[in-house]
Amino acid sequence: EAGVAQSPRYKIIEKRQSVAFWCNPISGHATLYWYQQILGQGPKLLIQFQNNGVVDDSQLPKDRFSAERLKGVDSTLKIQPAKLEDSAVYLCASSLGPSGRNEQFFGPGTRLTVL
Amino acid sequence: AQSVTQPDIHITVSEGASLELRCNYSYGATPYLFWYVQSPGQGLQLLLKYFSGDTLVQGIKGFEAEFKRSQSSFNLRKPSVHWSDAAEYFCAGIPSGGSYIPTFGRGTSLIVHP
Repeated sequence: EAGVAQSPRYKIIEKRQSVAFWCNPISGHATLYWYQQILGQGPKLLIQFQNNGVVDDSQLPKDRFSAERLKGVDSTLKIQPAKLEDSAVYLCASSLGPSGRNEQFFGPGTRLTVL
Repeated sequence: AQSVTQPDIHITVSEGASLELRCNYSYGATPYLFWYVQSPGQGLQLLLKYFSGDTLVQGIKGFEAEFKRSQSSFNLRKPSVHWSDAAEYFCAGIPSGGSYIPTFGRGTSLIVHP
């Protein structure tokens, strides 16, 4: 079974530029999560999708971050414009459903460096 | 506010020694609790989970964790550490009702000396 795929693996941009990350979850997984992991910290949930609807985006900085999952499968997370403090690893995860009892499977992440 | 605390930033053990990583939680009701491992450049892998019932849970790679309600703790243990266990370990909690928003601890970096 293929795991969660993410691309690119690494990205370096200058502040005020825009960037997009892509995630393809495990086939059949209805729930998709985007996390931000700043160096030395645990992952912080940015947004959670159930199929193509948003379950929670309370920690998403909506003035600069946006995410979509139009067909309920793969997803894109965008930052526009980027700030220095956005430097982090962006992790995508998926699970069968939104319940906490469903195991989350994580992708390898995208490491973003903002100069 | 809901929180998960890992008080140790780094833990150093010798190969073959026992290991205990600490995790404390603060929730209104007992959450679902998890331990994950993250190797450099990799995503997180689930080691074990606790929902209810038996307070001692077994996981993969020889890890176990004990849930103690009185101490609001969910500590991870392994009787004999291998060099390949060197990694970052994260404790996480998810509310057992209502929103299923996960909260992760800051992580504990495990260093294994030969």
